[in-house]
Amino acid sequence: AQSVSQHNHHVILSEAASLELGCNYSYGGTVNLFWYVQYPGQHLQLLLKYFSGDPLVKGIKGFEAEFIKSKFSFNLRKPSVQWSDTAEYFCAPNAGNNRKLIWGLGTSLAVNP
Amino acid sequence: GAGVSQSPSNKVTEKGKDVELRCDPISGHTALYWYRQSLGQGLEFLIYFQGNSAPDKSGLPSDRFSAERTGGSVSTLTIQRTQQEDSAVYLCASSLAVGNYEQYFGPGTRLTVT
Repeated sequence: AQSVSQHNHHVILSEAASLELGCNYSYGGTVNLFWYVQYPGQHLQLLLKYFSGDPLVKGIKGFEAEFIKSKFSFNLRKPSVQWSDTAEYFCAPNAGNNRKLIWGLGTSLAVNP
Repeated sequence: GAGVSQSPSNKVTEKGKDVELRCDPISGHTALYWYRQSLGQGLEFLIYFQGNSAPDKSGLPSDRFSAERTGGSVSTLTIQRTQQEDSAVYLCASSLAVGNYEQYFGPGTRLTVT
């Protein structure tokens, strides 16, 4: 069965630290990949997505993610986090042309000022 | 409004009672999803609707859960004979279509079964 794994469940960083959140999926074919974010008290919203082309995609608020097909990974990165990046981050691949995403368990990020 | 709305925002009910949760999707979005979010459990897919096609009910945890979408717009999730393990935040999302389209989420309904 298709699955997704987010390795870091809870991450605590200080402002200006670099961030990398891991996401691995299990599917060998064509895959489309999403990262969603949920800020405290707000709705889940799309952070960035990858369908094809340049494997390094950029999203909102300075986030980026790199699709590495050989590693079945789509890790989320940000060079310098801010306190306002405190949120829950979800990786969600869509394998093949499935009609629904597979959601990771999420990573809770806390950034200390 | 322009976003997905859900009502009520909070619902406290006694074990054994039935509850109905409502979702108003973005106008023009043909796909509508229901999820359940429990603490530390991520998003659990429940059901989706796509246009006039038969819904995908594969995520509904038991036959106490049902959902309908009237006129391709508003959707209602019904939980019969609620149990304490049903306590969670129930999220609704809509998108232009199912699959690889951005999902727009509502604020959720926090259900507490006492």
